Amino acid sequence: AAGVIQSPRHLIKEKRETATLKCYPISRHDTVYWYQQGPGQDPQFLISFYEKMQSDKGSIPDRFSAQQFSDYHSELNMSSLELGDSALYFCASSLRGWEDYEQYFGPGTRLTVT
Amino acid sequence: KQEVTQIPAALSVPEGENLVLNCSFTDSAIYNLQWFRQDPGKGLTSLLLIQSSQREQTSGRLNASLDKSSGRSTLYIAASQPGDSATYLCAVRPLGGGSYIPTFGRGTSLIVHP
Repeated sequence: AAGVIQSPRHLIKEKRETATLKCYPISRHDTVYWYQQGPGQDPQFLISFYEKMQSDKGSIPDRFSAQQFSDYHSELNMSSLELGDSALYFCASSLRGWEDYEQYFGPGTRLTVT
Repeated sequence: KQEVTQIPAALSVPEGENLVLNCSFTDSAIYNLQWFRQDPGKGLTSLLLIQSSQREQTSGRLNASLDKSSGRSTLYIAASQPGDSATYLCAVRPLGGGSYIPTFGRGTSLIVHP
């Protein structure tokens, strides 16, 4: 079965530009999580959605927004990009109905802000 | 607030050695614990998931144990191979409180040299 798909895999933007990252969860998974991982850092949780509703919010800047669509894919919108936003952005999905809530991660989008 | 610590931060061993990676957490009220592998610049690959009611899980040369009361988990890698070189992260999912977001450790960077 296909895993979590993220696009694009690499993105280069300039300061103050906007970026949109997309995540396609595993089929039938109803929950999507977004993480940011800086160099040498552990993944930092940004935000999650369950059944198209925001379920948890972490350290997501006000400049970022996200949503989950009717087909369960999710988009992370990032505006007024700063140099410090350069990082790997991971999406993960899980099926909340299953008791183990095991998360499956996508390959990530590497964002470079110049 | 849950804190997850992984020791050692880095490990370099010759091929063939048996390894133990450690993960400790401060709040024992956990739902489950998940071990991941991350190759440089890549996504996270789930290795093992241990429910709070379980003591250990095994997959091939990997064995993960959980001692919830003492706040510890270990990942045992038997007969290490150069292909095992990666960063290993543990993530602890909380029990209750309405949040399903795991807390990650910073990982153990493993190098297995031939």
